[in-house]
Amino acid sequence: GEDVEQSLFLSVREGDSSVINCTYTDSSSTYLYWYKQEPGAGLQLLTYIFSNMDMKQDQRLTVLLNKKDKHLSLRIADTQTGDSAIYFCAEGPTGRRALTFGSGTRLQVQP
Amino acid sequence: EAGVAQSPRYKIIEKRQSVAFWCNPISGHATLYWYQQILGQGPKLLIQFQNNGVVDDSQLPKDRFSAERLKGVDSTLKIQPAKLEDSAVYLCASTLSGQGRETQYFGPGTRLLVL
Repeated sequence: GEDVEQSLFLSVREGDSSVINCTYTDSSSTYLYWYKQEPGAGLQLLTYIFSNMDMKQDQRLTVLLNKKDKHLSLRIADTQTGDSAIYFCAEGPTGRRALTFGSGTRLQVQP
Repeated sequence: EAGVAQSPRYKIIEKRQSVAFWCNPISGHATLYWYQQILGQGPKLLIQFQNNGVVDDSQLPKDRFSAERLKGVDSTLKIQPAKLEDSAVYLCASTLSGQGRETQYFGPGTRLLVL
């Protein structure tokens, strides 16, 4: 079955870069996603990458995909206190299958 | 464009009671999902609808959970009777057709506490 793993916690200083890592098991995943969840809120899609891409850049966000190792990372440049949240990696859908989420990485940005 | 609406936002019940959650997806979205998010975990799919038909309910505890989307628009999720382990946030999401790279838009969730 599908499984997505993330580290639980990351702490960085404001202005530094943050790198959040994720590993997944389903090699048939078509797309891989990063979602952000702030306290008491739903999930907000940050970015996604198609499985035939290695890298995608979107303003301060850079997604790297190593398909051979099934490893996905999200780099946030110039991290701000407003970036403090839980970040979820998700894989899928293939066909009409729903997303499979990791457990989330809590990013704490210290001023 | 209005987002996915959910109500209530919070609910506290005692175990063995019943509870229902409501979701109104984005207008025109054919696919609707209910996820359960237990504290400290990522969301896990409970049920997926395509219009008013069920696509996937393999993870739905059918002895106590039920869901419907009778007219292919709004959906309700019911728990009867509730258990302590049902305490979680219940997230509703929708997509246009459910195929390929479509953004899943999430509602704010209903936070359930079972005492």
